[in-house]
Amino acid sequence: DGGITQSPKYLFRKEGQNVTLSCEQNLNHDAMYWYRQDPGQGLRLIYYSQIVNDFQKGDIAEGYSVSREKKESFPLTVTSAQKNPTAFYLCASTERGRGSSGANVLTFGAGSRLTVL
Amino acid sequence: KQEVTQIPAALSVPEGENLVLNCSFTDSAIYNLQWFRQDPGKGLTSLLLIQSSQREQTSGRLNASLDKSSGRSTLYIAASQPGDSATYLCAVLSMDSSYKLIFGSGTRLLVRP
Repeated sequence: DGGITQSPKYLFRKEGQNVTLSCEQNLNHDAMYWYRQDPGQGLRLIYYSQIVNDFQKGDIAEGYSVSREKKESFPLTVTSAQKNPTAFYLCASTERGRGSSGANVLTFGAGSRLTVL
Repeated sequence: KQEVTQIPAALSVPEGENLVLNCSFTDSAIYNLQWFRQDPGKGLTSLLLIQSSQREQTSGRLNASLDKSSGRSTLYIAASQPGDSATYLCAVLSMDSSYKLIFGSGTRLLVRP
């Protein structure tokens, strides 16, 4: 079945540690996104990538880093510089990239919950 | 800067009722608007997508409308069921946001048996 796989589902981090969240899709989608969700709030965009080897900062990129070496993969690293990393992280992808005004239904992964101890 | 607001934040209704969820956005220059469903601790599932040139979309018991000029969308759920209990989020693809979806904070729906 085609879809997006996020791992791990739950992750605990000590202060000062970097952690990497995995996002893999087999949908042949061009664009991939990382969102952060805090309780009672909507999703906020961290980073997005519309093609391989290219990515853009979203609204809350500070303390995060990404790479897009393969079309299928868009890992997110939460660095020690992120002061409040405890949150639910969601990865998503769409078929089309920049400039398209056509249908671009987002497909989401099941999410990764990060807790800082 | 585009902002998306959803009212109410939470809603509790008895089974069988028809209900309306509201979404408003500040900038009418959008490509499309989407409604998503999120179950607790899970990812989002796309329900309906309305292009900026469309007025409404329907899928089963769900009907979403779009009034771009007034910056409003509604999600109508007919004959609600306990299985409809979830958080519903709307998101706009704004023309000024470099192909980024802007999300509302969601409406948490509880359908009581």
